[in-house]
Amino acid sequence: DTAVSQTPKYLVTQMGNDKSIKCEQNLGHDTMYWYKQDSKKFLKIMFSYNNKELIINETVPNRFSPKSPDKAHLNLHINSLELGDSAVYFCASSQKPSGGAYGGLEQYFGPGTRLTVT
Amino acid sequence: AQSVSQHNHHVILSEAASLELGCNYSYGGTVNLFWYVQYPGQHLQLLLKYFSGDPLVKGIKGFEAEFIKSKFSFNLRKPSVQWSDTAEYFCAVNVPNDYKLSFGAGTTVTVRA
Repeated sequence: DTAVSQTPKYLVTQMGNDKSIKCEQNLGHDTMYWYKQDSKKFLKIMFSYNNKELIINETVPNRFSPKSPDKAHLNLHINSLELGDSAVYFCASSQKPSGGAYGGLEQYFGPGTRLTVT
Repeated sequence: AQSVSQHNHHVILSEAASLELGCNYSYGGTVNLFWYVQYPGQHLQLLLKYFSGDPLVKGIKGFEAEFIKSKFSFNLRKPSVQWSDTAEYFCAVNVPNDYKLSFGAGTTVTVRA
């Protein structure tokens, strides 16, 4: 069973279109994330939801809107796509930090969605 | 905010050679440290992590990393690489009880048969 799944795997679309990427996790985690990996492989956090509540909202254009219908799903909707949005988008999930002095967490990543905007 | 530096952009090795990838972070307090690997066309997988305790951490596939607090470093090592270790390697840092994971820029490792 796939722990964190994303659809679609590939998405090719034209500038100006609106598209969505879906993510689901079956790990029972409370927290989900969206990352963007650019052409140089740099990974940057975009958003995070904990129990359907937005907890991380990095500086991304407001054309990007995450939606979490329940704690097992986190979707990413992108309006008015631009060439610069071309990237691989990764979904991830984790439990909440373990607490205490070291409060660590481990994130589990999905397979990625390669978005190409032409 | 914490930041992560990975010194090597691209490392090319022959099979059976030893590998060491550098990772330094900038944050004065307690941190949790991670190494992730991304094989070609695949998602990120956790290689190993350090939260506390023994600073020498062993992970999967024969990898290990050593946390040196005085040097703010968490270097990844493998004594003898295989062709299948060809991948992108990412160091990451997290502040305790924070949800945010900060990644380094990654190091591409190419192992020649």
